[in-house]
Amino acid sequence: DAKTTQPPSMDCAEGRAANLPCNHSTISGNEYVYWYRQIHSQGPQYIIHGLKNNETNEMASLIITEDRKSSTLILPHATLRDTAVYYCIAFRYGQNFVFGPGTRLSVLP
Amino acid sequence: GAVVSQHPSRVICKSGTSVKIECRSLDFQATTMFWYRQFPKQSLMLMATSNEGSKATYEQGVEKDKFLINHASLTLSTLTVTSAHPEDSSFYICSARGLTAYEQYFGPGTRLTVT
Repeated sequence: DAKTTQPPSMDCAEGRAANLPCNHSTISGNEYVYWYRQIHSQGPQYIIHGLKNNETNEMASLIITEDRKSSTLILPHATLRDTAVYYCIAFRYGQNFVFGPGTRLSVLP
Repeated sequence: GAVVSQHPSRVICKSGTSVKIECRSLDFQATTMFWYRQFPKQSLMLMATSNEGSKATYEQGVEKDKFLINHASLTLSTLTVTSAHPEDSSFYICSARGLTAYEQYFGPGTRLTVT
């Protein structure tokens, strides 16, 4: 199972884009990159996932490098409600989701 | 997205008693359900995986006789913490995976406090 590495914490100004990096240099070809977030005292919330191509949905964009060794989750206009712990997970069919420590994003007014 | 509910959201019990937590997938059939535990300021740790109608598979270090898991239907799984002790106080989160194995949804969590 590929291990992911994220910075422990980041700050972002409200209204600005939040760019959260994730390294997954040992990811295998059939492992997807998933992002979840956990707001304090709640269950994790699915954000987005991708394999090779960049992905966008109503919540965020996911940019995966061509060599797939890293990715960036982009929240285009961060709000105070986006303050949470963000988890980047490499996942393959048949595996279980393994959560690392994640990145604690603080959106500042 | 799909909805997973948990009940209760909070429970306080006395040491030595048992507590049951329910997890339901509300709008899809969950072929597999997962139970996680999260201590303060830590990440989620997988406790066990269960498939409907089968015995749960427990992660290393998780006592199967203490944490009883039942997955009787495609929409309901229960976790019973037997003879709870203060060190079992934690945030318990269930998760459900549908027929599409790449989608997994999490419940809101249950905060257990054992006094």
